[in-house]
Amino acid sequence: AQSVTQLGSHVSVSEGALVLLRCNYSSSVPPYLFWYVQYPNQGLQLLLKYTSAATLVKGINGFEAEFKKSETSFHLTKPSAHMSDAAEYFCAVSDLRGAQKLVFGQGTRLTINP
Amino acid sequence: EAGVTQFPSHSVIEKGQTVTLRCDPISGHDNLYWYRRVMGKEIKFLLHFVKESKQDESGMPNNRFLAERTGGTYSTLKVQPAELEDSGVYFCASSPPATGANVLTFGAGSRLTVL
Repeated sequence: AQSVTQLGSHVSVSEGALVLLRCNYSSSVPPYLFWYVQYPNQGLQLLLKYTSAATLVKGINGFEAEFKKSETSFHLTKPSAHMSDAAEYFCAVSDLRGAQKLVFGQGTRLTINP
Repeated sequence: EAGVTQFPSHSVIEKGQTVTLRCDPISGHDNLYWYRRVMGKEIKFLLHFVKESKQDESGMPNNRFLAERTGGTYSTLKVQPAELEDSGVYFCASSPPATGANVLTFGAGSRLTVL
């Protein structure tokens, strides 16, 4: 069975600092991996996804993530945090075969300090 | 194009009452999914429709939950009778034909509070 672990339910960084949100996955087959973001009172929005092409994936709003098979990780980074990045972030996995449902991590709430 | 629309955005009911949540997917999206997030936990898959057919309902917690998608357009999720543990945010998502879960568009969610 697939699973996702997000390390840290809350992360706080200063404006302009590096954002690093951690995600480790478990999958018996090559996975598709996703990062979603939820801003207050909005739905889940896709930030980026890995689908077995380039291991470094660039997404919207300056975010990127690197797929590391040896570490079973897909950490999300952004070089310089903006106040508008404050939101909850979810890592998710699906398998290549069915791809009919996503398995999510517990989410990481990102706070940006001025 | 309009996104995925869910209503109500928030519902507060007493234990034992019935609630019906509605989801309007993006027009032309054959795939419709329901997910749920209980407070502080991960978002979990409930079920998947392809048009009007239930493709996978392995995530439905028990028979108090009934999902329908008559005519393959909008979907409803009924909880009857509601229990305290049903409180959470119910998300609907849709995707185009033959794309599955890899290109989902999510709605804003319906928050259910059972007192």
